Amino acid sequence: DTEVTQTPKHLVMGMTNKKSLKCEQHMGHRAMYWYKQKAKKPPELMFVYSYEKLSINESVPSRFSPECPNSSLLNLHLHALQPEDSALYLCASSRWGAANTGELFFGEGSRLTVL
Amino acid sequence: KNEVEQSPQNLTAQEGEFITINCSYSVGISALHWLQQHPGGGIVSLFMLSSGKKKHGRLIATINIQEKHSSLHITASHPRDSAVYICALQGAQKLVFGQGTRLTINP
Repeated sequence: DTEVTQTPKHLVMGMTNKKSLKCEQHMGHRAMYWYKQKAKKPPELMFVYSYEKLSINESVPSRFSPECPNSSLLNLHLHALQPEDSALYLCASSRWGAANTGELFFGEGSRLTVL
Repeated sequence: KNEVEQSPQNLTAQEGEFITINCSYSVGISALHWLQQHPGGGIVSLFMLSSGKKKHGRLIATINIQEKHSSLHITASHPRDSAVYICALQGAQKLVFGQGTRLTINP
């Protein structure tokens, strides 16, 4: 199994809603990442979890809240988002801890629309 | 100046042509990644290079550490190769992405 699975694939939410994005991998990878990608732009790193601990937060607004319940699962909790948060949210994983990233495996992304 | 620059930004070619995408960078790195992203889709890792050359099918990636330059070549290009190709530098705990090269292969 060399997949990173993201759900849902599409999400539409209002500015007052609370929703979550989910990411799962069963490759035994020890680092997991959340990226945000706007149209025709490269991905922007949001968070890195290394050995289930948050190791990087790229000054992301608190309306985005990551959670890593175990080494296979990564969640991104969304609350009180703004329309400009509409984007493709990509999850990725790598075998070793984030200090030695190695090859990244990406999911297909969750396309978020905030109304 | 960006740490990583890709060229060209856009490239249109006919099926069967040999394609070259370039990536130049200005910082020391431990490795360089080439990634592929189809429209609306996720990202696939094509290569991770720290020296020399790697080949996978019709794709070849090279890197010259002294000149801080890498190239991605596609031989016998096909319409299914149409995608955005992204060069990314391996930094401390994270990647630094280039702006991407949008490749369109016409039949």
